Amino acid sequence: DAGVIQSPRHEVTEMGQEVTLRCKPISGHDYLFWYRQTMMRGLELLIYFNNNVPIDDSGMPEDRFSAKMPNASFSTLKIQPSEPRDSAVYFCASNFLSSGELFFGEGSRLTVL
Amino acid sequence: DQQVKQNSPSLSVQEGRISILNCDYTNSMFDYFLWYKKYPAEGPTFLISISSIKDKNEDGRFTVFLNKSAKHLSLHIVPSQPGDSAVYFCAALSGNTPLVFGKGTRLSVIA
Repeated sequence: DAGVIQSPRHEVTEMGQEVTLRCKPISGHDYLFWYRQTMMRGLELLIYFNNNVPIDDSGMPEDRFSAKMPNASFSTLKIQPSEPRDSAVYFCASNFLSSGELFFGEGSRLTVL
Repeated sequence: DQQVKQNSPSLSVQEGRISILNCDYTNSMFDYFLWYKKYPAEGPTFLISISSIKDKNEDGRFTVFLNKSAKHLSLHIVPSQPGDSAVYFCAALSGNTPLVFGKGTRLSVIA
């Protein structure tokens, strides 16, 4: 079975550019989560969806961040405009429950110059 | 205002010895705790968990201890192996809330 698939694995961009990160959850999982990993804050939850509907986006740092889930097999996290402080590893995870064990993708490492 | 705290950013242990990773939490509503392991360039993977109704859970070389009164849990790895070198994240949840993670502890097992 395929796990959670994220793309791109690495993204280097310049400040002010738009960044779009993509995620394909595990088939059958109703919940999708976006986390961000930084040295300072560890793994922090940005937003999560249930059945394609955003449930809690209180972790989204600013209006520059937005996330969508147009269908059960695809989600995007967009940063527009990007800033150097957005540099981090962004993880997508999915599960069939809102809590409990999460299945993570391999992450998208973003570097904003 | 981190609810889950891993105060040791790193830990070095010799191969064959015990590794003890610590985690503290502040939210008394947390009732389920998990440890995740993360290798470089990979996503975190589930390692072991414990419910608040227990004080110990063991899986092979890995044991998690929970002290609810102290709001403290620890992960013991015995014996430690070089392949255990990774970042370990402590996580907690209550009810149907999503996992709350700590900052992680980088374990280095030296051969």
